Amino acid sequence: EVQLLESGGALVQPGGSLRLSCAATGFTFSGYLMTWVRQAPGKGLEWVATITYTGVGTYYADSVKVRFSISRDNSKNTLFLQMNSLRGDDTAVYYCAKRGDVGYMDIWGTGTTVTVSS
Amino acid sequence: EIVLTQSPATLSLSPGERATLSCRASQSVSSYLAWFQQKPGQAPRLLIYAASNRATGIPARFSGSGSGTDYTLTISSLEPEDFAVYYCQQRSTWPLTFGGGTKVEIK
Repeated sequence: EVQLLESGGALVQPGGSLRLSCAATGFTFSGYLMTWVRQAPGKGLEWVATITYTGVGTYYADSVKVRFSISRDNSKNTLFLQMNSLRGDDTAVYYCAKRGDVGYMDIWGTGTTVTVSS
Repeated sequence: EIVLTQSPATLSLSPGERATLSCRASQSVSSYLAWFQQKPGQAPRLLIYAASNRATGIPARFSGSGSGTDYTLTISSLEPEDFAVYYCQQRSTWPLTFGGGTKVEIK
């Protein structure tokens, strides 16, 4: 079964750092672009970052550029999101998603919650 | 950045009725548009991709149409499980963007 499982969410103080992970099973991880999407409480979906197959190419939303870094370890079938200089408006559920053969996000994880608060 | 505007924000309908959701882009997205369904406490689910193609396992009552800047998601006859929030998303240009969502609620 194709599955994505996020972990690493926590309560963190403003200015702090956190590293999210997304473990992939059931498909050839290295063959797909991967993306992080977040959703603030009661709000809509916001694209955060995307990484290409080998990790050479990365794309970021302006709101997280410089502060966040997306990476992947294809040998461990795992996607990462390093988040630094966290702010209150980074509080959200963070989802990882696989871009399918049709070019759109076809498989999503269940999400991990990041809360930035003192 | 391409802004996607969804309307209406809320749609109040009864089971069996037809739902028509709109997504308008600030510039052409050349049919590089998807629709997602999200239920409370769940991750989004891909319904429609490339404007008019149903994703795997999506019932035929869901259909998408449109081109250029204007797109529509139609649910031909609402089932109880269809009451949810729907988002459109474009992948025509970076950054990827989502619409603000349309909530389909039971009347």
